[in-house]
Amino acid sequence: GDSVTQMEGPVTLSEEAFLTINCTYTATGYPSLFWYVQYPGEGLQLLLKATKADDKGSNKGFEATYRKETTSFHLEKGSVQVSDSAVYFCALTQGGKLIFGQGTELSVKP
Amino acid sequence: DTGVSQNPRHKITKRGQNVTFRCDPISEHNRLYWYRQTLGQGPEFLTYFQNEAQLEKSRLLSDRFSAERPKGSFSTLEIQRTEQGDSAMYLCASSLGGRLNTEAFFGQGTRLTVV
Repeated sequence: GDSVTQMEGPVTLSEEAFLTINCTYTATGYPSLFWYVQYPGEGLQLLLKATKADDKGSNKGFEATYRKETTSFHLEKGSVQVSDSAVYFCALTQGGKLIFGQGTELSVKP
Repeated sequence: DTGVSQNPRHKITKRGQNVTFRCDPISEHNRLYWYRQTLGQGPEFLTYFQNEAQLEKSRLLSDRFSAERPKGSFSTLEIQRTEQGDSAMYLCASSLGGRLNTEAFFGQGTRLTVV
């Protein structure tokens, strides 16, 4: 079945460092792809999305490009802040629902 | 607050007892989803509704689990004869429309502990 695989965490970075969180997927058809973020004590929030190949989703300085040829949707940010510390989930649509990866915890130190 | 609301936020129950959780979606959203999340894992799909119709239920879901969405508004998730393995965070989400290109909004979850 369809699935999402993320790089394992935790990822620890210093403020202003470059961030990449890898995400690859297995899917039949052409799913939409998402990154959700979960800040401590809060619910999941949509960070960005891409609905077709070569689309780039972006929000709050984060970007991810839908790469059909490599079945990837890696999350990047040029300069992370302490406030970006959270758990990040990659997800795809399967039928009427979202399928999530296992999450990657990001910790940003001042 | 017009977001997705879940109650209770925390529930501790003894093994073998029944528990029921409630989810109030964003009012105009016709789709409602239930997920389960354990520590260090991503949310795992349980079931979803479009209006009052339950369209899909995970094959992994035990028949001790049942969900309803009467009148297409709030939803309840009941777990009968709870087991320690049911301990998890139960998440509810809602979205507008039949395609998941629209955003799904999540509640803060109900944390269940079975002792």
